[in-house]
Amino acid sequence: DAGVIQSPRHEVTEMGQEVTLRCKPISGHNSLFWYRQTMMRGLELLIYFNNNVPIDDSGMPEDRFSAKMPNASFSTLKIQPSEPRDSAVYFCASSPGSSARGELFFGEGSRLTVL
Amino acid sequence: GNSVTQMEGPVTLSEEAFLTINCTYTATGYPSLFWYVQYPGEGLQLLLKATKADDKGSNKGFEATYRKETTSFHLEKGSVQVSDSAVYFCALSDGAAGNKLTFGGGTRVLVKP
Repeated sequence: DAGVIQSPRHEVTEMGQEVTLRCKPISGHNSLFWYRQTMMRGLELLIYFNNNVPIDDSGMPEDRFSAKMPNASFSTLKIQPSEPRDSAVYFCASSPGSSARGELFFGEGSRLTVL
Repeated sequence: GNSVTQMEGPVTLSEEAFLTINCTYTATGYPSLFWYVQYPGEGLQLLLKATKADDKGSNKGFEATYRKETTSFHLEKGSVQVSDSAVYFCALSDGAAGNKLTFGGGTRVLVKP
């Protein structure tokens, strides 16, 4: 079975450019999460969706970050304009829902470097 | 609010040594507790979980017991292997916010042959 699929795996861009990260959750999962991981701050939850609806975006750093989930099989995280401090590994995770509380399935991550 | 505190690493061990990673938590209500593992270059994977007090989660030789009286969920393995080298995260879900997890800071474990 396919797991959570993220793209790109690596992205190097220059400050000011727009970055779009993509995620395909596991089929049938109704919760989707975006996390950011850095050495300094560890794992941070940015936003999560239930049934394609954003439930909690309190972790989104600022207006430069936006996330969408237009359907059950696709989500994007966009940074515009990007800054060097956005350099991190961004993880997408999905979950089957309330019957499996807290059981998240993570993708392999997108490593972003902003120069 | 909820929080998870785990011992800082790195923890360096020899193969076949005993491993303990301490984890304590603060939460309202009755949370479920989890250990996730992250191998180099990969995403996190669920290692084990416990959903109520005195439950013991176990997987791949790892164990952790949900201790409500001490608000702890320490991870243990009796004999580690080089392949256990990874970062281990303790986490909780209180159910009030769906499947939202609160993670600890992670503990890096390095097992040497």
